[in-house]
Amino acid sequence: QVQLVESGGGVVQPGRSLRLSCAASGFTFSSYALHWVRQAPGEGLEWVATISYDGSNKFHADSVKGRFTISRDNSKKTLYLQMNSLRPEDTGVYYCARVGVWNSGTSLEYWGQGALVTVSS
Amino acid sequence: DIQMTQSPSSLSASVGDRVTITCRPSQNINNYLNWYQQKPGKAPKLLIYSASSLRSGVPSRFSGSGSGTDFTLTISGLQPEDFATYYCQQGYSTLWTFGQGTKVEIK
Repeated sequence: QVQLVESGGGVVQPGRSLRLSCAASGFTFSSYALHWVRQAPGEGLEWVATISYDGSNKFHADSVKGRFTISRDNSKKTLYLQMNSLRPEDTGVYYCARVGVWNSGTSLEYWGQGALVTVSS
Repeated sequence: DIQMTQSPSSLSASVGDRVTITCRPSQNINNYLNWYQQKPGKAPKLLIYSASSLRSGVPSRFSGSGSGTDFTLTISGLQPEDFATYYCQQGYSTLWTFGQGTKVEIK
């Protein structure tokens, strides 16, 4: 079955960096676009970034553009989110998710359990 | 960016009720609209994709409709396990956006 397992979360000071990883299994990793979605404590869902199946196309939300970078290693079946210049408002649970096969992959069919990132001094 | 406006932000309903949640994008998104359910401490789950297609395994009491700039999620016959927060999401533009969520609570 499809599994997505995030790791790398933790407590970090403002201005520092952190890299999240998402290990995938149960599907052909190199065939699917992947996304990061985050959720601040008590708040709604916020889309963060997407990467195409081969890594050639990447898009980031305006709120993280220039600070966060999505990437993937298809040989390791792993998705990454490099987060630099972290701010307190970046605190939240970060989910990796895989697109569905319908409608040009514009929905998120499978989600990981989430990784908690806390930005605080 | 495309803004997604969900209404209401919360509602109280009883088991067996029919519940309707609305999502209005700030521009035409054709049918690139999806609905998710999230329970506290859990990852979201996809319910409806492409505005009206029910994901396999999702109970048939969930249905979606609409296109363009006006979409609806309906739960026909609310069950105890349906009390949760629901989000719409557009996949029309390269920068995706979610609605702010609708919390369905027990009356």
